[in-house]
Amino acid sequence: NAGVTQTPKFQVLKTGQSMTLQCAQDMNHNSMYWYRQDPGMGLRLIYYSASEGTTDKGEVPNGYNVSRLNKREFSLRLESAAPSQTSVYFCASSLTSGYTDTQYFGPGTRLTVL
Amino acid sequence: LAKTTQPISMDSYEGQEVNITCSHNNIATNDYITWYQQFPSQGPRFIIQGYKTKVTNEVASLFIPADRKSSTLSLPRVSLSDTAVYYCLALQASSGSARQLTFGSGTQLTVLP
Repeated sequence: NAGVTQTPKFQVLKTGQSMTLQCAQDMNHNSMYWYRQDPGMGLRLIYYSASEGTTDKGEVPNGYNVSRLNKREFSLRLESAAPSQTSVYFCASSLTSGYTDTQYFGPGTRLTVL
Repeated sequence: LAKTTQPISMDSYEGQEVNITCSHNNIATNDYITWYQQFPSQGPRFIIQGYKTKVTNEVASLFIPADRKSSTLSLPRVSLSDTAVYYCLALQASSGSARQLTFGSGTQLTVLP
């Protein structure tokens, strides 16, 4: 049981390049999340998926798109990377979207945009 | 949107009990208080959750008074490995399937030998 996995672990992009961050979970969870964490800051929600086939914007969705490919996988795409998107990106999942969710986090992807 | 406020940092010594207080003056009726722990270069990890009064598990205790405007995470007999950032969240759901999850800046706990 690997939990939540993310690829890649590290990535360096040039301004304007695009890339997709991959996330997968093997816990049969319904809900999945993408966060970003800037140095010395807390996590901010980018996008959220309550269940397969649904996605919703979080606090900071601009510049990102997501795809809930199936129940296991939730990808985050940067269409035209900007230096302001340099951050650590965490994917998480939870069994349901109820109030008492426990979120399980992946190890993160460290992205640098030059 | 229930905002939480925590101290930026705290220091403690090994073997001491540590109490981290979180303020959440605008907490909604159905919000639960949840604490996460984050080590450097790792994603956050769930510690404990509660609605009112006291909750205890093998890792920590959570005290929430009747007015629910604050909560206290208590870590008994901390060790060096408890050095981490601790986040207090007020879980909230908006209408439909959207949800605003707010991790503040957290409290950096440093345990000294």
